[in-house]
Order: sequence, then C-alpha cells, then structure tokens
Amino acid sequence: EVQLVESGGGLVQPGGSLRLSCEASGFDFVAHYMDWVRQAPGKGLDWVGRVRHRASSYTTEYAATVKGRFTISRDDSRNSLYLVINNLRTEDTAVYYCARVLGGAYLDYWGQGTLVIVSS
Amino acid sequence: DIQMTQSPSSLSASIGDRVTITCRASHDISNFLAWFQQKPGEAPKSLIYGASTLQSGVPSRFSGSRSGTDFTLTISSLQPDDFATYYCQQSSDYPLTFGGGTKVEIK
Repeated sequence: EVQLVESGGGLVQPGGSLRLSCEASGFDFVAHYMDWVRQAPGKGLDWVGRVRHRASSYTTEYAATVKGRFTISRDDSRNSLYLVINNLRTEDTAVYYCARVLGGAYLDYWGQGTLVIVSS
Repeated sequence: DIQMTQSPSSLSASIGDRVTITCRASHDISNFLAWFQQKPGEAPKSLIYGASTLQSGVPSRFSGSRSGTDFTLTISSLQPDDFATYYCQQSSDYPLTFGGGTKVEIK
C-alpha cells in the first residue's frame, strides 16, 4: 500500500525557517518524481514544486511565488522527500501535501498533509 | 502560466443526478489534465488522469472527456459519497496549475 506521511509543520514566526519531511513507503520511491502542493485555509490547491528522480539528476521545478525561498530535495536512501522554507511569510500559512508523480506527469497519491502556521 | 478556469464554482444536486463540471485551459494542454476529489479535512484523491483515464479503484460513474481546451468531469449518478470539492489540474507545462474548484453540495 502506498503511504506518504508528512511531518515538521507547526507554528513559526514570520522570517523563520522550517523543514518539512515526507516519508514514503509501499512503492519504489527512487523511480518517481515527487511534488509538494499546499492549500491555504479555506482556499484551493497551489502547486509548490517538484524534484525529479536520480535518472533525471534530481532536478527541480518551483512555482514562481516560492522560487528562491523554498528548496525541495530528497534522500532516496531514506525514502524521504523534504521541503525547506526560508523567510516564512504569513501567506505561507497552509497545509502542505507531498504527492507521488505518476509517469512523470500526474499526481496520484497524496499524503495527509502537515499544517504550517506563520504568525507572530 | 496556463490558467485553468473551472465552472461552476459550486452546485447543488440530488442523489441520482447527473453532474457535469467543466475546466477550460488557457492554452493547448493536450490530454495533460487530471481531476481530484477532496472532502473536508482530507487530502485530495486522484480520480482521473490523462483527461479520461480512471484511476484504479475509482467508481465507473466518474468519467472525463476533452474537447479541444475544454475538459469535463461527469458523475453519471450522484451518490452520497460524492459530495465534495472537485479540482482540475494541468500538467502540460510548469508551473502546474489547478482550477479554482467546484463544491458539490446536497440539494
């Protein structure tokens, strides 16, 4: 069974940093691109970015709104995906989901999400 | 960026009704379109990818179609478990973009 479990969310002050983790199990993690998607309270889904697999040199893509502050990485030895967020802003308050990418294109499995609240 | 315009933003329907949700892409995205269902407090669930391919385990009352840059999600006979918010999403180009969502409520 495919499982994705996010962790690392919490209450952070503006300007702070946070590292979110996503632990994967039940599938061949090394073979898949992985994405982060976020959802602000009461709002729609907002794609954050992607990390490709080793065969694609672990290259990344980001939404323009987060580029430069967000860094996506992965550790295939730990079946884990990471999202580092620097210089947090109140508008970064959201549930952050990790998702597996099917065939290099489609998000098929999602984790349950981890809530990040940016507030003083 | 490719804009995904989803309509309606909400609808009320009864059990057994046929429900149609539409998503229009601002550019040609071929068949790189997926549909998701999300219930309150839960993660999104993949329903359809490649515009019309049903995800494993998804009931056959769900279907997807494409006409040019217009995409449709159809629920042939609405069931109690289908009351949720539905999102389309394009994966033709970066950044990936979602429609604004359609909330399906009980009439």
